[in-house]
Amino acid sequence: QVQVVQSGAEVKNLGASVTVSCKTSGYDFTYYGLSWVRQAPGLGLEWMGWISAYSGDTNYAQKLQGRVTLTRDTSTSTAYMELRNLRSDDTALYYCVREGDNNRNYYFKHWGQGTLVTVSS
Amino acid sequence: QSVLTQPPSASGTPGQRVTISCSGSSSNIGRNAVNWYWQPPGAAPKLLIYTNDQRPSGVPDRFSGSKSGTSASLAISGLQSDDEADYHCSAWDDSLNGWVFGGGTKLTVL
Repeated sequence: QVQVVQSGAEVKNLGASVTVSCKTSGYDFTYYGLSWVRQAPGLGLEWMGWISAYSGDTNYAQKLQGRVTLTRDTSTSTAYMELRNLRSDDTALYYCVREGDNNRNYYFKHWGQGTLVTVSS
Repeated sequence: QSVLTQPPSASGTPGQRVTISCSGSSSNIGRNAVNWYWQPPGAAPKLLIYTNDQRPSGVPDRFSGSKSGTSASLAISGLQSDDEADYHCSAWDDSLNGWVFGGGTKLTVL
C-alpha cells in the first residue's frame, strides 16, 4: 500500500530555515507529483507548491515564491521542502501529499502524517 | 481569507442529512473539478470526494458531491457521530496557477 512518511517536528528561530522530508513507498515514485500543504493552528489548508517526481519541475504558490524550494531524490523516493527566512506565521503543520489522477483531473490522494514546525522568537 | 468560501460550521442530529456549500469563481470551480477532504480532530486530512462527485473506495455512499456553475456542495446523509470533522473543499485556480481551498467547515453531530 502507498505510504507517505514525514520527518519529525522542528523548532526554529525567526529568520532560520527548515527542511522537511517526505519518504514514499508502495508505488512508482516517478509516476505521480507531490504537493506540500500547510495548516496554521486553527486555520484552513494552504497549498504551498508542487513538484514532479519524474522531472523535478516545480510550481510554487505566489505567496511563498522566493522562500520555498521543493526537491526530490528518486533514488530514495523522498521529497523535500525547504522554507527559508522563517516568520512567526509560518508556525503550522506541514503535509506532504501524493496526487491522484482521474483523466487529468488531479486531487490530493495520499497524505503524510504532518510535520509540526514551530517558529520561536 | 480563503479563495473558496465555506460556512465555518454546520450541525445535525444522528440520521439527518446535512449539506456543506463551497463557493468560488470562474477561475476555479467554474472551470475545474472540485475535491473534498475530511479531517477528523487531531488527524491529517483524507480524500473524501474527487472530481466533483467521485468517491474513493472505502468512502460510504452516504457522502455525495455535486457542482453547478461556480459552486459545489457536499451532502452527508444518515449522519453519524463519527462524521464529526472538519470538511475542506478545493479546486485548481487558473488565474493563480495553483490549488485553492475553502476555509473549512466544522461539522458537529448534536
